[in-house]
Amino acid sequence: QSALTQPASVSGSPGQSITISCTGTSSDIGGYNFVSWYQQHPGKAPKLMISDVNRRPSGVSNRFSGSKSGDTASLTISGLQAEDEADYYCSSYTSRNTWVFGGGTKLTVL
Amino acid sequence: EVQLVESGGGLVQPGRSLRLSCAASGFTFDDYAMHWVRQAPGKGLEWVSGVTWSSANIVYADSVKGRFTISRDNARNSLFLQMNSLRAEDTALYYCAKEKYTGYDGLMGTYDMWGRGTMVTVSS
Repeated sequence: QSALTQPASVSGSPGQSITISCTGTSSDIGGYNFVSWYQQHPGKAPKLMISDVNRRPSGVSNRFSGSKSGDTASLTISGLQAEDEADYYCSSYTSRNTWVFGGGTKLTVL
Repeated sequence: EVQLVESGGGLVQPGRSLRLSCAASGFTFDDYAMHWVRQAPGKGLEWVSGVTWSSANIVYADSVKGRFTISRDNARNSLFLQMNSLRAEDTALYYCAKEKYTGYDGLMGTYDMWGRGTMVTVSS
């Protein structure tokens, strides 16, 4: 199972909005609404930010939102803040009853 | 406080075995499916294996199938990963992860709690 495709890096200034894409196939993202997004700060464990394409867990800022179109899922962060600087990973259920992560995107807040 | 604490990592030679443990606390362990996810140094996350609360359904990534065995002991609130025939490419930080959803005997692969990980280094 190949990893989902994410841009290696994205950047934005405080207050701006950014979107991170995550591209898969009809056997994973395109076939199921089981897409999650995780935030990972250096040396820390990942943290769930979005589940089921667009559900935000309790305690996660409403500046984070998720969406999906075809085989591509997206994570949008609005009103960028310095503490948003981290690595972000998408994941999806697959038709083989397994899970696959994206390669990760490093977000830099300028 | 909900907590997952991994242990059992270390330096091991190629071809040898290692058994990882994950001690859970602060939640009803046998209500939730559990997974192992690993991260090679400087690399991304890789899903390894998952087990339902009842152990009725167990799945593995192709990269570890036939070499790794996941198990759980609900009476001891513990998750395990038996790793045999270890290879250099198994070198990674291994995380124990709890599924977000409960109320069914299946796997969803959405993790709302992660441990801090235990490092496994496979090298001669």
